[in-house]
Amino acid sequence: AQTVTQSQPEMSVQEAETVTLSCTYDTSESNYYLFWYKQPPSRQMILVIRQEAYKQQNATENRFSVNFQKAAKSFSLKISDSQLGDTAMYFCAFVGDQTGANNLFFGTGTRLTVIP
Amino acid sequence: DTAVSQTPKYLVTQMGNDKSIKCEQNLGHDTMYWYKQDSKKFLKIMFSYNNKELIINETVPNRFSPKSPDKAHLNLHINSLELGDSAVYFCASSLGRARSPNQPQHFGDGTRLSIL
Repeated sequence: AQTVTQSQPEMSVQEAETVTLSCTYDTSESNYYLFWYKQPPSRQMILVIRQEAYKQQNATENRFSVNFQKAAKSFSLKISDSQLGDTAMYFCAFVGDQTGANNLFFGTGTRLTVIP
Repeated sequence: DTAVSQTPKYLVTQMGNDKSIKCEQNLGHDTMYWYKQDSKKFLKIMFSYNNKELIINETVPNRFSPKSPDKAHLNLHINSLELGDSAVYFCASSLGRARSPNQPQHFGDGTRLSIL
């Protein structure tokens, strides 16, 4: 069974500073995909960044980057130059390549507050 | 040009009633999903459909019945609503596994269901 753990229920960061959100997962699958989703107060679920497990290079999307450590089963999200609009719940998610559908398994989320 | 649309956005009803939530996607995706987000913000897969066929039913009570008239629609019907059904329900879609296993899921804006 897949599990995704986010050990930081809440975090805060000063505007323009950098923050890292942690995520660990457990799986027996050899190939899988990892995602970070953002849920602002508007309730939408917005994809932030994704990583394929077979790629060693860490994914980056503008101010967002990941530190993917496959051996440690760790997938942290770094947000640089934090902006007020980054205030949201952040969910780490996993989908394995072996199951019959792309079912996302989510962590419990980290509530990030960007302080002006 | 909404990609994944759910209706209604809010649903307030009495215990014991039957209600439906509709979902439509115009992205040409093959797979659609229903997720439940509880009061602690935890997101969990309920169902997934691929080309109108049920792929996953994650131990959801049989009071919940998904219906997929075509691959662009996946509606959720709930019978005999209970207090514990209060949650936000998200519809999502993605390209099917056979074509693009790593494609992210696109979410609707959610339906907040409140049982009185």
